[in-house]
Amino acid sequence: RKEVEQDPGPFNVPEGATVAFNCTYSNSASQSFFWYRQDCRKEPKLLMSVYSSGNEDGRFTAQLNRASQYISLLIRDSKLSDSATYLCVVNLGGGSQGNLIFGKGTKLSVKP
Amino acid sequence: NAGVTQTPKFRVLKTGQSMTLLCAQDMNHEYMYWYRQDPGMGLRLIHYSVGEGTTAKGEVPDGYNVSRLKKQNFLLGLESAAPSQTSVYFCASSYSGGGTEAFFGQGTRLTVV
Repeated sequence: RKEVEQDPGPFNVPEGATVAFNCTYSNSASQSFFWYRQDCRKEPKLLMSVYSSGNEDGRFTAQLNRASQYISLLIRDSKLSDSATYLCVVNLGGGSQGNLIFGKGTKLSVKP
Repeated sequence: NAGVTQTPKFRVLKTGQSMTLLCAQDMNHEYMYWYRQDPGMGLRLIHYSVGEGTTAKGEVPDGYNVSRLKKQNFLLGLESAAPSQTSVYFCASSYSGGGTEAFFGQGTRLTVV
């Protein structure tokens, strides 16, 4: 089993739609979790951290379920500018501190 | 603010040639990383460093060497380039490990022919 797994998509949605991405991780000792966004031919950039209590930033909501080793990202009222690849990222912590493990990404395409 | 700067941005190498990719950060970050990104494979960690003078192997270290002689610089070397090393290389840095944000450079597109 891969350490971080994501549905590769692509997700093709109309403007204004709500879309959800899921991510599972295999190492139960993982300590911190993130969603990064990567535009075509650009570098990844942090979208938001994911906290156990869940967190929201405008149209974006992230949730973590440690028992199921599952992370989600919900985007409401999708904009054309949301089109990108969304990367689920897990930090193992402990002896591997600093070692960020990236999922392969989920591609989102928002259409007019 | 420069952030993380990678040089060069593009390079074509012949099989067997050597080269060094330079990463420089001006944020006084302790941690620095080198990743490669290939289609369908996602980002894979090559080597990383938790501070000046330290380096550690990541997921795919074979064929690469690194050095962190100065805190702000992290060099990635290819001693004898192979076509399998054709990839986009990203450098990143973070203030510490764990739950801190990683900042990425713009990437180096390397083709080995």
